[in-house]
Amino acid sequence: QQPVQSPQAVILREGEDAVINCSSSKALYSVHWYRQKHGEAPVFLMILLKGGEQKGHEKISASFNEKKQQSSLYLTASQLSYSGTYFCGTETFNQAGTALIFGKGTTLSVSS
Amino acid sequence: EAGVAQSPRYKIIEKRQSVAFWCNPISGHATLYWYQQILGQGPKLLIQFQNNGVVDDSQLPKDRFSAERLKGVDSTLKIQPAKLEDSAVYLCASSRGGTAKNIQYFGAGTRLSVL
Repeated sequence: QQPVQSPQAVILREGEDAVINCSSSKALYSVHWYRQKHGEAPVFLMILLKGGEQKGHEKISASFNEKKQQSSLYLTASQLSYSGTYFCGTETFNQAGTALIFGKGTTLSVSS
Repeated sequence: EAGVAQSPRYKIIEKRQSVAFWCNPISGHATLYWYQQILGQGPKLLIQFQNNGVVDDSQLPKDRFSAERLKGVDSTLKIQPAKLEDSAVYLCASSRGGTAKNIQYFGAGTRLSVL
């Protein structure tokens, strides 16, 4: 039930674009995206609640296809600060209400 | 607003020793989580508290791990005795609770090395 992220790693030059995908075999309540830099805490980027919803933060946006149980994170015109590991967390229902299960992450390296 | 505080940042112990981690969540957050993050992996939930009650500890190795959240605020996670495979970063997160936009905020974590 752990979501599958692809690709595992991406290498970009500044200004290039990237797409990170996240898919689940279970019905999803929501999808959360986080970025973690080496040795630091995961930082919340955005949450997507509805099927087909798209959200954005500056040049980072995401979509959520509830029917396909998939989400994609779009990074446009990448900056050096975008480097890090991106995790999707899929929220599903459990005995506690909901639980967040994280994928293995996608490592993004942006160079000048 | 202060973030999630964790201590210590680093800990090195030998196998079979015991260790404890401390977490202070964001003020007013009812839900507290402990995650284990092994190198190269995503965070894996160990235990979830709602106020001072446990709501999910299905992935906690209860023969060696224990956690408590007294008075619904601070929390401690203990490992006794530690094994080599417990080497990981232990992350604490907190959220307001509820099922709508339940955003989790993470602390910087405690990096544990078991020798």
